[in-house]
Amino acid sequence: GAVVSQHPSWVICKSGTSVKIECRSLDFQATTMFWYRQFPKQSLMLMATSNEGSKATYEQGVEKDKFLINHASLTLSTLTVTSAHPEDSSFYICSARHRQASGRAWGNEQFFGPGTRLTVL
Amino acid sequence: DAKTTQPTSMDCAEGRAANLPCNHSTISGNEYVYWYRQIHSQGPQYIIHGLKNNETNEMASLIITEDRKSSTLILPHATLRDTAVYYCIVRPQGSQGNLIFGKGTKLSVKP
Repeated sequence: GAVVSQHPSWVICKSGTSVKIECRSLDFQATTMFWYRQFPKQSLMLMATSNEGSKATYEQGVEKDKFLINHASLTLSTLTVTSAHPEDSSFYICSARHRQASGRAWGNEQFFGPGTRLTVL
Repeated sequence: DAKTTQPTSMDCAEGRAANLPCNHSTISGNEYVYWYRQIHSQGPQYIIHGLKNNETNEMASLIITEDRKSSTLILPHATLRDTAVYYCIVRPQGSQGNLIFGKGTKLSVKP
């Protein structure tokens, strides 16, 4: 259980185009989803936190108009990189927090997707 | 900023126990110690977490010192597939508190 998927797993796009990345919790409901970005040989950096049905909360330095997050249901969140540029090339990883603490192993743990490799030419 | 310090890298022989240390001297009373690992080009994988008691699951054991200022993750019989970056993170249990990743420890398991 506790599987999180991302689509696509990798994408190459031209500079100036927009790219949408989907994050789904496959076998549980997620009250909260998180989006991280990871540059080569660096650690994960939290970009934003989104709760189902409400606006995302962005970390300092992350442009909310450039990285649009939609969390329309308890199993789906999307990240759209608008007008992508080469410096946006990175590994984008989503994470979902389980809805209920039905036992210790499921209490508020975050489960991560496999990541999406974005390359902007 | 991450509230933990870990060695940058460690090596371990295949089949031997891997002991990964973590210092979290400023940990608060309501903060848990979480361990995740990230295999190259994959998303992080949850390993284990604990508050003050030692914990064990099918993947690893977590030993937390009595003063809670440090902990050790133990992989009892490391395999080549355990080669990864291991992250030690402190975070409050409950709805608040995001996972803030530090630099982690790059564990290399060698044949």
